[in-house]
Amino acid sequence: QVQLVESGGGVVQPGRSLRLSCAASGFTFSDYGMHWVRQAPGKGLEWVAFISYDGSNENYGDSVKGRFTISRDNSKNTLYLQMHSLRAEDTAVYYCAKDFQVGWGDYWGQGTLVTVSS
Amino acid sequence: QSVLTQPPSASGTPGQRVTISCSGSSSNIGSNTVNWFQHLPRTAPKLLIYSNNQRPSGVPDRFSGSKSGTSASLAISGLHSENEADYYCAAWDDSLNGVVFGGGTKLTVL
Repeated sequence: QVQLVESGGGVVQPGRSLRLSCAASGFTFSDYGMHWVRQAPGKGLEWVAFISYDGSNENYGDSVKGRFTISRDNSKNTLYLQMHSLRAEDTAVYYCAKDFQVGWGDYWGQGTLVTVSS
Repeated sequence: QSVLTQPPSASGTPGQRVTISCSGSSSNIGSNTVNWFQHLPRTAPKLLIYSNNQRPSGVPDRFSGSKSGTSASLAISGLHSENEADYYCAAWDDSLNGVVFGGGTKLTVL
């Protein structure tokens, strides 16, 4: 069965960096684009970034553009989100989600919490 | 301020039908398909509707989606208490070159 497991969250000081991982199993990871989506405390879902199946195309939300980088290692079935210059407003639960043939979001991970605080 | 506009709340009684609206523009809903997600606190969001009106396997036919122009809607018939959740619409936005979400609608079953 499809599984997406995020890791790497934690408490980090403003201005520092953090890298999230999303380990995928149960499907051919290299066939599908992947997304990161976050939810700040008390707020709604916010799309963060997308990467194509082969890593050749990336897209970012305006709030993270220039600070976050999405990447993937298809040999390790793992998606990453490198986050730099973290701000308090980046505090959120971060989810990874996969594309499918005619859409996206059919499977999600359980999320990893990132808290940016001094 | 979300790019897609949803009512912050909706409610209904068990067995009733409720509809949640999602309003966008020509660069998102007007030119791309809409997804609907159900989200319960501390759980992974669940895809309810994709491609405007398609249900993934396992989603009951009590959930239906529609789209007209720059607006979309999610209808839930035969409300159950377990339908209490937050519901979000989402679509690709050609101007922003990314996915945009609605602000979410909290559904209460009275």
